[in-house]
Amino acid sequence: EIVLTQSPGTLSLSPGERATLSCRASERVGSNYLAWYQQKPGQAPRLLVYGASSRASGIPDRFSGNGSGTDFTLIIDKLEPEDFADYYCQQYGNSPPTTFGGGTKVEIK
Amino acid sequence: QVQLQESGPGLVRPSETLSLTCSVAGDSMSGFFWNWFRQPAGKGLEWIGRIYSSGTTKYNPSLKSRVTMSVDTSRSQFSLTMTFVTAADTAVYFCARGGSYCKHWGRGTLVTVSS
Repeated sequence: EIVLTQSPGTLSLSPGERATLSCRASERVGSNYLAWYQQKPGQAPRLLVYGASSRASGIPDRFSGNGSGTDFTLIIDKLEPEDFADYYCQQYGNSPPTTFGGGTKVEIK
Repeated sequence: QVQLQESGPGLVRPSETLSLTCSVAGDSMSGFFWNWFRQPAGKGLEWIGRIYSSGTTKYNPSLKSRVTMSVDTSRSQFSLTMTFVTAADTAVYFCARGGSYCKHWGRGTLVTVSS
């Protein structure tokens, strides 16, 4: 199965700054089928991006995804207070099983 | 807007069977895939498996020997059964809709395995 490694583990930033989150796969992700989720404490994951770069409905345009093959990035432009949360990448191109990265915590500096 | 709600015992004894149900409201179950995920406290997400509305299943190979899923579209529910649980199965269990990525999720239910 594909192993996804997310970095950094924790990102300390101030509101208004730009967040760059990385997700690296142990092998090529088929068809760039890579999704990103946001999760806040006590809540379910919220789909942000699918297909590496397609924003889910209702997601603000400050969230953008890019990448291909084994390297993918989620960018949050101009962090809002509600953006401080955990973020997970998921590959579904070489599944089952679909697998997730270990997560990146975006915290207020 | 589809809504999902997990239900089941919050405490299961070691070596016994965990049983959870996900109730679906706001849309038909037909033509969709229905998933179970879990998340131990402070850790990442793990896919347990999925079932299509017709009853076809796919399980995570790491759990396949202990997991069974079923669906009852007439009651708008699908279920998860996991046998021979241990403390390592303690987690928040989520149900979700989707064949690949998942946009619609339940709020999750905590299952603790302890004597």
